[in-house]
This record gives sequence, C-alpha cells and structure tokens, in this order.
Amino acid sequence: QSALTQPASVSGSPGQSITVSCTGTSRDDGGYTYVSWYQQHPGKAPKLIIYDVSKRPSGVSDRFSGSKSGNTASLTISGLQTEDEAVYHCSSYTSRSSVWVFGGGTKLTVL
Amino acid sequence: EVQLVESGGGLVQPGRSVRLSCAASGFTLNDYAMHWVRQAPGKGLEWVSSISWNSGNIDYADSVKGRFTISRDNANNALYLQMNSLRAEDTAFYHCARDRRWLQSGACDNWGQGTLVTVSS
Repeated sequence: QSALTQPASVSGSPGQSITVSCTGTSRDDGGYTYVSWYQQHPGKAPKLIIYDVSKRPSGVSDRFSGSKSGNTASLTISGLQTEDEAVYHCSSYTSRSSVWVFGGGTKLTVL
Repeated sequence: EVQLVESGGGLVQPGRSVRLSCAASGFTLNDYAMHWVRQAPGKGLEWVSSISWNSGNIDYADSVKGRFTISRDNANNALYLQMNSLRAEDTAFYHCARDRRWLQSGACDNWGQGTLVTVSS
C-alpha cells in the first residue's frame, strides 16, 4: 500500500494558476482507479474538491480542475485567492485491490 | 444537514482496546459506503478501513489488519471501529467519512471533525 507522491509545498500569487502533481495513481491489477483531491484548512476536516479524476462536487468553484496522464494526476487551481491557502491531499482508490492510498499532502501558500 | 460526529477517543495504554463510534444524521446511512481515515497530529491522511452500504465489502489497511474491525448499524445510523492491541503509532485523530457511492470509491463528500486517540503509557 505505497503512498502517492506529492510535492511538499507550492506557492503562487493571487490571480495566478498553480498545479499540484500526484504520482503513483496507476495500478497494474486491472481494476478501476478513482482519483480524488481534498482541501484541508488548519484544524478543519478535509473537503472533497475533485473526484473521479476531474469531476467537481456541487458547490466547488470551477477554479479547481483535475486531470490525469499515465501514472500522474494533477490538480490545477486558477485565479488563486488567499482562501485557497491550505493543504491539498490527493488519493486513489483501486477497485480490484480495494485499497485507498493518500499522498503526503501539498501545502499551498498564496503569497 | 449532513452531520457525522465521532466519539470514543481518549488516552489508552498500549495493548489495550477502544471502540470508536460515528453518529450519522441528515441522510440515510444505508445508501452509502463509509470509511475511517486517521491523521496523526501534523501529518498526512491515512486510510484505515472501509465498509460498503450493506457490510458486504469490508477492507483494511495493512497497518491495522487483524487488529481493527469496522462495522455499521444502518438502523441506528451508526458506524463503529473496534481497535484492539493498540500501539503508539495508532495515535491520531480518527475521522469517519461518507463516500459518494454505496460501494467504496474514496470520494468522500462529508467528514466528521474527528476524535483523538492517544496511545501511551
């Protein structure tokens, strides 16, 4: 159950765009892999912002988008706002092995 | 309003047991898979265990397999985690989380605030 690999930190200025990568989201067991992204502010519970690689739950800003290429999933945040400053966790759930793994989390600083 | 409220945490000695509960309200529990996810203070998220809507599919992380048992009582809107043979490395906030689907997919759209389990002598 190897963890996914994310950068420890990223930063950007208000209005800019940033991308957070997440490596290790492909499995060789033939099952379907669900990729999700969570936002977590200090002292708060995680919040789902992307699921099924690129879908947004109702109420999540369209400034958040997800994609996947090969073994790497990516979260892009456009038009950075100060309230986007948080830790972002990627995760993947593989249906065949029934294992859910998380990345180590990426701290986003909005300068 | 969907709410998940965990309870049962506290200080426990290594090797002892504790049972966590998660009270669900504002939705029909038996429409969703449920998960336990833990987070050691200052660390990342770690999946612990998952259970499908009817308890037919149950999964555990290798780190807790054989020691922890997940269960649910749909009639009483509750999720549980029985934790045995506790170790210092089990110290963490334990969150229950609701999956978007009735089978596990790791897309959890509602989380509880967590209950802290501290394993120490």
